[in-house]
Amino acid sequence: AQTVTQSQPEMSVQEAETVTLSCTYDTSESDYYLFWYKQPPSRQMILVIRQEAYKQQNATENRFSVNFQKAAKSFSLKISDSQLGDAAMYFCAYRSAVRASGTYKYIFGTGTRLKVLA
Amino acid sequence: EAGVAQSPRYKIIEKRQSVAFWCNPISGHATLYWYQQILGQGPKLLIQFQNNGVVDDSQLPKDRFSAERLKGVDSTLKIQPAKLEDSAVYLCASSLNRGGQETQYFGPGTRLLVL
Repeated sequence: AQTVTQSQPEMSVQEAETVTLSCTYDTSESDYYLFWYKQPPSRQMILVIRQEAYKQQNATENRFSVNFQKAAKSFSLKISDSQLGDAAMYFCAYRSAVRASGTYKYIFGTGTRLKVLA
Repeated sequence: EAGVAQSPRYKIIEKRQSVAFWCNPISGHATLYWYQQILGQGPKLLIQFQNNGVVDDSQLPKDRFSAERLKGVDSTLKIQPAKLEDSAVYLCASSLNRGGQETQYFGPGTRLLVL
């Protein structure tokens, strides 16, 4: 079975600085996706960035980028130029290979709470 | 495009009572997910529908939880009877099967407190 581990329950970063959130996962599948989701306090979860396992190039979305180390099964999120609005819970998620039903299974980590200090 | 709608947003009940949550996914999204998110934890999948059929309910406590998606659109999740440990946020998400580009969209969640 696949697992996702986020070992940092909480992180803090000064505004305008850079922070890296860690995620490791375990799987025997070769075809999968990895995601980072953001969940602001009392607000709904939104997708931050995604990475396809078969792509070696790390995904980037504006100030957000990932460091995907497939052999090490590591998938960290780097937030550059941190802003107050980045404060939220961040969840790492694994999406399985497609199943016979044509659907996918998602497995989430326990989350990292990011505080941004003014 | 309207997002995933959920109601109610908050619910407080006594243990052993029953409760139901409603979800309306994004129009055209064939796959619908119900997750349970206990405070301080990540979302845990309870049940997944593809149209009106169940794809995965392996983590659904079937002795007390039930869910349906009769017409392949709206879905209802029910708990009967509720226990204290059911206090959590119940998230609904939907997705449009697009292979590699599939993205889950989440609703605002229903926060349940069982006293």
